[in-house]
Amino acid sequence: DAKTTQPTSMDCAEGRAANLPCNHSTISGNEYVYWYRQIHSQGPQYIIHGLKNNETNEMASLIITEDRKSSTLILPHATLRDTAVYYCIVRVNGYKLIFGSGTRLLVRP
Amino acid sequence: GAVVSQHPSWVICKSGTSVKIECRSLDFQATTMFWYRQFPKQSLMLMATSNEGSKATYEQGVEKDKFLINHASLTLSTLTVTSAHPEDSSFYICSARVTSRTNAPEQFFGPGTRLTVL
Repeated sequence: DAKTTQPTSMDCAEGRAANLPCNHSTISGNEYVYWYRQIHSQGPQYIIHGLKNNETNEMASLIITEDRKSSTLILPHATLRDTAVYYCIVRVNGYKLIFGSGTRLLVRP
Repeated sequence: GAVVSQHPSWVICKSGTSVKIECRSLDFQATTMFWYRQFPKQSLMLMATSNEGSKATYEQGVEKDKFLINHASLTLSTLTVTSAHPEDSSFYICSARVTSRTNAPEQFFGPGTRLTVL
């Protein structure tokens, strides 16, 4: 099963872009990359997912390298409400989501 | 969008009692639901996969007799913590898998239930 590696913590200034990296060097060809975030004491919230192509939605953009060994989640204009733990997950066993330790993002005023 | 609810949102119980937590998919049917546990400052740990009409599949190290899971309908799964002890105090989160959507997020999470065992 592909595992992911993320920095423990990051911070960025409010209004600036937050770029959260994720390494998944053992990902297989049919595994998707999912991003979720968890605000304190809440259930995880879906952000975005992708397979090969870059993806964008109203929350964020997902940039996946050509070899698929890493990806970057981009929050284009971070706000204080984006302070959360961000999880990069490679879907295993068809549908189980196994959470790693994630990146704690702090958005500074 | 797909909404998953949990009830109760928090519960306090005495050691030795059993506690039931409900997970409902409000606007979609879910043949598969998942139960997670999260201790303070730790990540979510998958406990079990709940399949409608069949027995749950437990992850390694999770006691099936202690954490009873029932998935009696396409919109409801329950987790019962039997003979709860203080070490079972945790944040329990469920998620539901959407079966009919393509190219869409397949799991939606509930808001969680905080269990405190005295």
